[in-house]
Amino acid sequence: AQSVTQPDARVTVSEGASLQLRCKYSYFGTPYLFWYVQYPRQGLQLLLKYYPGDPVVQGVNGFEAEFSKSNSSFHLRKASVHWSDWAVYFCAVSLYGSSGNKLIFGIGTLLSVKP
Amino acid sequence: NSKVIQTPRYLVKGQGQKAKMRCIPEKGHPVVFWYQQNKNNEFKFLINFQNQEVLQQIDMTEKRFSAECPSNSPCSLEIQSSEAGDSALYLCASSFRGAETLYFGSGTRLTVL
Repeated sequence: AQSVTQPDARVTVSEGASLQLRCKYSYFGTPYLFWYVQYPRQGLQLLLKYYPGDPVVQGVNGFEAEFSKSNSSFHLRKASVHWSDWAVYFCAVSLYGSSGNKLIFGIGTLLSVKP
Repeated sequence: NSKVIQTPRYLVKGQGQKAKMRCIPEKGHPVVFWYQQNKNNEFKFLINFQNQEVLQQIDMTEKRFSAECPSNSPCSLEIQSSEAGDSALYLCASSFRGAETLYFGSGTRLTVL
């Protein structure tokens, strides 16, 4: 069955350090993949999206992600983390069906930033 | 930034009471989704619409949940008889086409006492 796994419930990095948040997907075919961020007491904001093409996609606020078909992964990266990046990050895959499309989400990774 | 507007931000109901929340999708987006996010960050798809028509809904939705997206009015999600297990963040999202890019509102946090 189609699914998304985020193996790290929580990741802590120092401000200014680099970041990688992991995402593994299970999908029959070529997936459309997304990273969303949820700040405290807010909804989800789109960071970036992958449509079949260039495996490295750029997003907002310096985030990027790399699609790997061989590893079934879509990891999120940032070169230098800022304290304002403290949030929960969700990876999602778009599931296509005869009754319309919907997103399947991972359970999120909480990013904590140390000063 | 998303322009999906959800009201109210917070909703507190007793068990058995009706709970109703509203969503104004982003202008020009014909597709609307409702998701339930529980305290463990698990997302449950509830229902989606294209224009005013229901595309898909889960069984739970068919029994106690009702939703509509009338033309020229906000979309709404209503729980007929709230249960403690319904306590969650309800997220509305809209898109121009399917689920290729969903834009989410800030959510309505429902607490059922």
